[in-house]
Amino acid sequence: DAGITQSPRHKVTETGTPVTLRCHQTENHRYMYWYRQDPGHGLRLIHYSYGVKDTDKGEVSDGYSVSRSKTEDFLLTLESATSSQTSVYFCAISDYSGGASGELFFGEGSRLTVL
Amino acid sequence: GDSVTQMEGPVTLSEEAFLTINCTYTATGYPSLFWYVQYPGEGLQLLLKATKADDKGSNKGFEATYRKETTSFHLEKGSVQVSDSAVYFCALLRRNSGYALNFGKGTSLLVTP
Repeated sequence: DAGITQSPRHKVTETGTPVTLRCHQTENHRYMYWYRQDPGHGLRLIHYSYGVKDTDKGEVSDGYSVSRSKTEDFLLTLESATSSQTSVYFCAISDYSGGASGELFFGEGSRLTVL
Repeated sequence: GDSVTQMEGPVTLSEEAFLTINCTYTATGYPSLFWYVQYPGEGLQLLLKATKADDKGSNKGFEATYRKETTSFHLEKGSVQVSDSAVYFCALLRRNSGYALNFGKGTSLLVTP
């Protein structure tokens, strides 16, 4: 199994509070991603990173920010959590280099509940 | 933009029945295609993949063929088991957005004894 650790795995918080989810990898992969999973929507891309300090937005990035100060860590921050951000968040990594298939490896997920 | 559409679930089958989960894609060119599986309470795992047209991916008795004529990548298994109960996601590789995957909405499969 790919070495991906998400923390915390479960969190309950209140509307308006800041929340940070952490993704840590031991594979030295270049690309890292944050997705959210919601019933009826599948997985949707929030943000991604293509290197240290290189990040960009996905299609559901509003209300989220990310940072990547080291290859192994990718942080997702909700500056002021809202109930619509209640979801399961997945981190994924990839070492895509053109010749490979582009497979993503996923963490176990972080379940966030915003009351 | 590039996207995949997969059949709505849930799908309920008896053990040893034949499984088909339909997936079609819309894309510029011929992106790599994937099937992922998610067991309850877990993350997604790669089930199989195909990197070019006419390729067949296979794993654990599951198969899918990349058909450019019909822009499809349907998942099949000849005889399902109770342990196959899970959610299945079709996905394609995006050439932009850092080579992320675009996922379908998922199809829940329940196999009964």
